[in-house]
Amino acid sequence: AQKVTQAQTEISVVEKEDVTLDCVYETRDTTYYLFWYKQPPSGELVFLIRRNSFDEQNEISGRYSWNFQKSTSSFNFTITASQVVDSAVYFCALQETSGSRLTFGEGTQLTVNP
Amino acid sequence: NAGVMQNPRHLVRRRGQEARLRCSPMKGHSHVYWYRQLPEEGLKFMVYLQKENIIDESGMPKERFSAEFPKEGPSILRIQQVVRGDSAAYFCASSPPRGRGHYEQYFGPGTRLTVT
Repeated sequence: AQKVTQAQTEISVVEKEDVTLDCVYETRDTTYYLFWYKQPPSGELVFLIRRNSFDEQNEISGRYSWNFQKSTSSFNFTITASQVVDSAVYFCALQETSGSRLTFGEGTQLTVNP
Repeated sequence: NAGVMQNPRHLVRRRGQEARLRCSPMKGHSHVYWYRQLPEEGLKFMVYLQKENIIDESGMPKERFSAEFPKEGPSILRIQQVVRGDSAAYFCASSPPRGRGHYEQYFGPGTRLTVT
């Protein structure tokens, strides 16, 4: 069965620090998708990225970057030069192509202090 | 192109009442998913529906909960005889038909249910 683990429950940093959120997953499928979502205090879910299991190339989008390592079943998310507006709960999720549901991790509460 | 719409955004019910949560998928989307987020927890899958069909309800509680997605109109998540433990945020997501970016799920803003 699929499983997503976000071992960091809470992280607190000072503005402009870099921060990495960890995500480890388990799946028996060879083809799957990995996601990151942001949930700000307002409560909605904001899609950040989707990666498929065939594409291990790291990705950068502005201050955000993602490191996908199939060998360690990890899909970590780094925010460079963090800002107060980055404060939110961040969820990692897994979707197997044999089904359609998303399996979410428990989330990491990131607080960026001024 | 409107996104996924959910209403109401906030719903208060007394113990024993019924709660009806509505979800209108994005235009052209024929698949709907419901997820529940209990306080301080992650999202948990509940049910996956296509028009007039329940595809996967393995995450639904065995009693009091039901879902439908009729040929016309929104998808409905119905909770009968609510209890305090049902207090949570309920999120709906939709995706296009298979073969057309099916694995993208677009989330609505959620309905916050409070049972008093």
